[in-house]
Amino acid sequence: AQSVTQLGSHVSVSEGALVLLRCNYSSSVPPYLFWYVQYPNQGLQLLLKYTTGATLVKGINGFEAEFKKSETSFHLTKPSAHMSDAAEYFCAVSPNRDDKIIFGKGTRLHILP
Amino acid sequence: EPEVTQTPSHQVTQMGQEVILRCVPISNHLYFYWYRQILGQKVEFLVSFYNNEISEKSEIFDDQFSVERPDGSNFTLKIRSTKLEDSAMYFCASSSGQSSYEQYFGPGTRLTVT
Repeated sequence: AQSVTQLGSHVSVSEGALVLLRCNYSSSVPPYLFWYVQYPNQGLQLLLKYTTGATLVKGINGFEAEFKKSETSFHLTKPSAHMSDAAEYFCAVSPNRDDKIIFGKGTRLHILP
Repeated sequence: EPEVTQTPSHQVTQMGQEVILRCVPISNHLYFYWYRQILGQKVEFLVSFYNNEISEKSEIFDDQFSVERPDGSNFTLKIRSTKLEDSAMYFCASSSGQSSYEQYFGPGTRLTVT
């Protein structure tokens, strides 16, 4: 069975500082990996995804993530945090295309002025 | 840009009542999903639907739940006899079945069972 672990339910960073949100997954098959963002009272928006090919994936709003198979990790980073990045971030995995998505518990990102 | 829509945005119902949550997926998409998020918890898969039948369901999706695509545009989730623990945000999603691998999520329906 596949699962996702997100380290830290809350992360605080100063505006302009590096954002690093950690995600580890377990999967018996090569996974498809995703990061979704949820702003308050809104739905889930895809930030980026890894399917095949290049392991460093760039997404929207300046975010990127690197798939490291040896570490079973897919950490999300952004060089410089903005106040507008404050939201909940979900790492997710799927065993196949168009298959169910299995979400982590989420990390709430707080941006300090 | 096409988007998934859901109605209502908030539904309050009494325990034991039936509720129907409605979704309009993106028009050319072929795969449809329901997820739920209990307050403060993670998003959980309920059911996936393809070619007018359920393709997979989770253990949460028991006999009290059903899904339907009645008219080629709407995708509904019915809970026959609601329980307090059904209170959650319910998200509908759809995917195209092509190479994008992306599921597009609606804004959700907040269901409150009293």
